[in-house]
Amino acid sequence: NAGVMQNPRHLVRRRGQEARLRCSPMKGHSHVYWYRQLPEEGLKFMVYLQKENIIDESGMPKERFSAEFPKEGPSILRIQQVVRGDSAAYFCASSPLGHKEAEAFFGQGTRLTVV
Amino acid sequence: DAKTTQPPSMDCAEGRAANLPCNHSTISGNEYVYWYRQIHSQGPQYIIHGLKNNETNEMASLIITEDRKSSTLILPHATLRDTAVYYCIVRVASIQGAQKLVFGQGTRLTINP
Repeated sequence: NAGVMQNPRHLVRRRGQEARLRCSPMKGHSHVYWYRQLPEEGLKFMVYLQKENIIDESGMPKERFSAEFPKEGPSILRIQQVVRGDSAAYFCASSPLGHKEAEAFFGQGTRLTVV
Repeated sequence: DAKTTQPPSMDCAEGRAANLPCNHSTISGNEYVYWYRQIHSQGPQYIIHGLKNNETNEMASLIITEDRKSSTLILPHATLRDTAVYYCIVRVASIQGAQKLVFGQGTRLTINP
């Protein structure tokens, strides 16, 4: 059973470009969470999604950032018009539906560098 | 989610037990205690969780005080590969689905040879 898969592992974008980060949850998992980790800082929650629904986006910046988790395919975190401050590691986690204690399993992250 | 308090850093000798404390004095009755760790820049790794009973798995043991206001993660025989930042998190468990994890600053554990 493959773990949470994130790609790409490393992404370089120029200022003003778009970044698309993908997350494939573990098999059978229907909850996805995105976190951001700035250099030398802790993990900050961004958004929590279930299939086709955003459950909690309290950590998402109001502009330029969006996330989706379609019925088919991976979850996508999209950052439009990237700026240098978006350079960070972005981690995705997944957990199964209906298990109230279920632990979340994390991917290895996508390291975004904006030049 | 309840706030947790952890020491910022700890050291432990290789082969000894590492005991990592966590205070969660405002924990609610429906909140579980979870422990994760992050080795270098990798994705966080689940270690263990519990509600009120002590728990043990192949990685660690979790001791929760009777009043549930604090807990201790025990790595029984620490190795150099256990050097990481350890996060203690309290989280509501809901049948509607697992809630988000809110990470604090954690404890940076260094295992010394």
